[in-house]
Amino acid sequence: QSALTQPASVSGSPGQSITISCTGTSSDIGGYKYVSWYQQHPGKAPKLMIYEVNNRPSGVSNRFSGSKSGNTASLTISGLQAEDEADYYCSSYTSSRSLDVEFGGGTKLTVL
Amino acid sequence: QVQLVESGGGLVKPGESLRLSCAASGFTFSDHYMSWLRQAPGKGLEWVSYISTSSSYTNYADSVKGRFTISRDNANNSLFLQMSRLRAEDTAVYFCARDRAVLGSNRAFDVWGRGTMVTVSS
Repeated sequence: QSALTQPASVSGSPGQSITISCTGTSSDIGGYKYVSWYQQHPGKAPKLMIYEVNNRPSGVSNRFSGSKSGNTASLTISGLQAEDEADYYCSSYTSSRSLDVEFGGGTKLTVL
Repeated sequence: QVQLVESGGGLVKPGESLRLSCAASGFTFSDHYMSWLRQAPGKGLEWVSYISTSSSYTNYADSVKGRFTISRDNANNSLFLQMSRLRAEDTAVYFCARDRAVLGSNRAFDVWGRGTMVTVSS
């Protein structure tokens, strides 16, 4: 069981917006700014989409945005496109003694 | 171009050892923290270990602590993961990844290798 909780799946039609939530605790998401989001297509390596809650690396579309409120982080994808269909993972630094970085279980995004 | 290439994976029996390597190119390797992460078949991502720029700091997930050792060779732009006393639950694709921050860590991995498969089975 993952330490960060994500919905197993979300879906949307092309052009729509969707939001994926990621819920943790005050020991991870709520306590630090080190929240990241990754996109992973089948058989491929993950790709960093958002870092430090709401920053986009160079080359990532501005259709992707991140936010945080309390112990919950969110990834919003606007103007959905077919190529956005993938698995999305959130991650956070954690002050837990058993880990340094923890991940959510992943969310499968289906573009209808 | 910026690139990470893992090698060393394979099929081993429970209790055996394996050493993974990761060759870096296209960036100043010694400026970045590096990590190993893994993904079991059909499962999510799991952070395994990190090492600081000068190897002064390392950290491990509890699931591998005492069995895995991370190291790096900045002169040869290489990262390693020595895995011992392997278990069936260590079966996964192992990725090396670069921390995005320079001379520090923001726990964001912006460059990943393609991964190397480790299978532990009798």
